[in-house]
Formats: sequence, structure tokens, C-alpha cells
Amino acid sequence: DAGVTQSPTHLIKTRGQQVTLRCSPKSGHDTVSWYQQALGQGPQFIFQYYEEEERQRGNFPDRFSGHQFPNYSSELNVNALLLGDSALYLCASSLFSRLGEKLFFGSGTQLSVL
Amino acid sequence: AQKVTQAQTEISVVEKEDVTLDCVYETRDTTYYLFWYKQPPSGELVFLIRRNSFDEQNEISGRYSWNFQKSTSSFNFTITASQVVDSAVYFCALSEAGSGNTPLVFGKGTRLSVIA
Repeated sequence: DAGVTQSPTHLIKTRGQQVTLRCSPKSGHDTVSWYQQALGQGPQFIFQYYEEEERQRGNFPDRFSGHQFPNYSSELNVNALLLGDSALYLCASSLFSRLGEKLFFGSGTQLSVL
Repeated sequence: AQKVTQAQTEISVVEKEDVTLDCVYETRDTTYYLFWYKQPPSGELVFLIRRNSFDEQNEISGRYSWNFQKSTSSFNFTITASQVVDSAVYFCALSEAGSGNTPLVFGKGTRLSVIA
């Protein structure tokens, strides 16, 4: 049973560029959430996708957008990259219908913006 | 607003010592969930425990134990007889009850180093 998989594992971009990160949820899960973890900080919620729609969003600018596909996989897009976007981006999957459900996390994509 | 505070930024212990990681939370909801996650150097967050706000029973799982006290809004985590493999960053997190999955609010984490 494959867990949450993310690609790529590492990425280097320059300011102003755009980036797309990908996530495949754990088998049987229908909800994908994205978190940003800056160095030395706890993860911060970006947004959550269920039934191909953004259901909840954290305090992140519109430069951060996403998509969920019919097979439940998801993409995170960041436009006009800033140095401050350098972080570990974590994808988590769960079942939408279960309250207080624990999240299963991938190993993340380490994004460096130069 | 929800908030999770982990006052201990870094802790260093010698192998076989016991260590307690502190977590204090704030929420206006009466129904909520508390979690602990472990983040080894690989980066993946590994789930350790979930507790709902109506269940104040302490829990023990092997060398791990958790003390949940609503009166002090604390959910502390103790590792007994620590081992080098316990070295990691540990995060406490909170989610409020709502429709579907509500997002986790994480503390800043406590980096635990267990020295042989």
C-alpha cells in the first residue's frame, strides 16, 4: 500500500519563476492538503482539495494555487516566486468525511528560490 | 483563534534518560483534536497519537506516554528510556471540529537530540 508520494524531492528556481509540485495521496484517500514548512518552523496550512475543489485556504496569497484531478492526485502551483517561498512543501492526504482524521504526510518537496 | 505553543525549542538528553516535551494550546471550540507528529531528518511527518477533547485519559504506548489536561490546556509527551533513534523534531498540533477535515495548526516544534 503506497503512502503519500511527492515529486520532485528537490527543486531550485530563481525569483519570478513559476513552479509546480505534485502529490499522489495514500490509496483510498480523497482529500489532499498542502502545507509550507519554513526552516525551523512548524508546517503552515496552504489549502485543501476535495472533489476537485478548493475547500479551505490558509493565509497565503493568490500566487499559490492548486488543482485536484479525478484520481485524487493534486498539484500546487506558485507563481512569481519570492525568496521567502523557499521552504519544504508537504502534502498530506486523508478522508474528508472523518472528523479529526489523522493526516498522512509525504516526504515533501524542498524548494529553494535564488 | 487557535494556537499551539511548544516552548522548548531544543532538548538534548543522554540515552536512557526520560524526557518530556511540552505543548500548550488555545482554542475557543469545545470539540477539538490534538496530535503529536515526529519529523525525522527524512522530512516526512510521522503520526504518533490523536486525542479528542472529550477523552482526557492518559495513554501509554511502549516507551511513549501522553498527558492531556484540559484544565491547563496542555498535552505533554514523555519518552521513557530515550534512544538515539528518538532524535527528531516533534510537533504538537490542533484541529477544531467542523465539516470535513479542518486544517492542523502546528506548534514550532521541539528538536530532540538523544546522545549515546
